[in-house]
Amino acid sequence: AQKVTQAQTEISVVEKEDVTLDCVYETRDTTYYLFWYKQPPSGELVFLIRRNSFDEQNEISGRYSWNFQKSTSSFNFTITASQVVDSAVYFCALSGVRGSAWQLTFGSGTQLTVLP
Amino acid sequence: DSGVTQTPKHLITATGQRVTLRCSPRSGDLSVYWYQQSLDQGLQFLIQYYNGEERAKGNILERFSAQQFPDLHSELNLSSLELGDSALYFCASSLSGLARYNEQFFGPGTRLTVL
Repeated sequence: AQKVTQAQTEISVVEKEDVTLDCVYETRDTTYYLFWYKQPPSGELVFLIRRNSFDEQNEISGRYSWNFQKSTSSFNFTITASQVVDSAVYFCALSGVRGSAWQLTFGSGTQLTVLP
Repeated sequence: DSGVTQTPKHLITATGQRVTLRCSPRSGDLSVYWYQQSLDQGLQFLIQYYNGEERAKGNILERFSAQQFPDLHSELNLSSLELGDSALYFCASSLSGLARYNEQFFGPGTRLTVL
């Protein structure tokens, strides 16, 4: 079975602080994909990043960076110099094959509040 | 804008009623997925259709059903509604969703409130 754990339910930081959102996953698949989504107060799900299980290179996109470590089954997300607009719920997700279909399993989400 | 549309945006109804949520996938996408986001269960996969056929089932209640039509739009039917069915329902679509992985693109969601 697939499982994604986001142990941090809520995080509050002050603007310009760096913040790391943790994600730990469980899967028996050798091929899988990991994702981060952002859900702002408006409710839509915004895709941030996808990594496949064979690519452990860290990635940086502007103020966002991701650290994928297969050895610890973690895929952590860091926001550098946080801004108020970063306030949202962030979901980590895992996709693996179940039967003949890819299925996406989400973590419970981390509510990030960035205070001015 | 993901290209996935969902209607209605909001729906308020009473317990015991039946509602239908509609989803139009991105142009060219053959797979449609339904997800439920509720306070107690989080974001859960409900069901997937591929080119009109049911492909995978998740934690979907027997009171819920879905279908995908020849024009590839999909409907999620929720019946005998209970207070606990109040949630945000997302539809997503992907090109295929079979052997080779394809990105899922999410719609804006339908917020269902059961009173």
